[in-house]
Amino acid sequence: GQQLNQSPQSMFIQEGEDVSMNCTSSSIFNTWLWYKQDPGEGPVLLIALYKAGELTSNGRLTAQFGITRKDSFLNISASIPSDVGIYFCAGTGTASKLTFGTGTRLQVTL
Amino acid sequence: DAGVIQSPRHEVTEMGQEVTLRCKPISGHNSLFWYRQTMMRGLELLIYFNNNVPIDDSGMPEDRFSAKMPNASFSTLKIQPSEPRDSAVYFCASSFRGLFSYEQYFGPGTRLTVT
Repeated sequence: GQQLNQSPQSMFIQEGEDVSMNCTSSSIFNTWLWYKQDPGEGPVLLIALYKAGELTSNGRLTAQFGITRKDSFLNISASIPSDVGIYFCAGTGTASKLTFGTGTRLQVTL
Repeated sequence: DAGVIQSPRHEVTEMGQEVTLRCKPISGHNSLFWYRQTMMRGLELLIYFNNNVPIDDSGMPEDRFSAKMPNASFSTLKIQPSEPRDSAVYFCASSFRGLFSYEQYFGPGTRLTVT
């Protein structure tokens, strides 16, 4: 089946720093989604990407659909303490259901 | 607008008991998904419905698990009998499956503990 690898698995950064994380697939994906999950809550949709090369922003967040259609990137600029959480990528390939990555745990220090 | 609603938020039960989890999707959405999340396995899709019809239940662990969607605004996930290894957070998500949309919106989850 389709697999998604996210990296890094976790990261500790200082407030104000920029953050980059990525997600790679073993096969071509047609849709990429990025979610954030806070403790005790469900994942919240941040950004959706539908076209190879597409670059989409949501406030301080920017995500890109890789040209090869096998990867996606999420950047967070000027991180703040409320950015703490687990970020998941998800995508659809030949199947119509979403495959989720393993998550990147982000911790922000003051 | 109300998001996806799940109940209960927490459930503690003894091994062998029946457990029923409930979900109300976002009004107007035509697809509903049940997921299970554990530290070891991450987010796993159990089953999904489109227009109240089960489309793919290949993720359902075994016959002890069953799910129903009697109408567009309600779904249940039942475990009978429950076992300690079923302990996890169960999420319901819904989406409007148009031509290009795969965006799923999640509920707050039900944390199940089976002792």
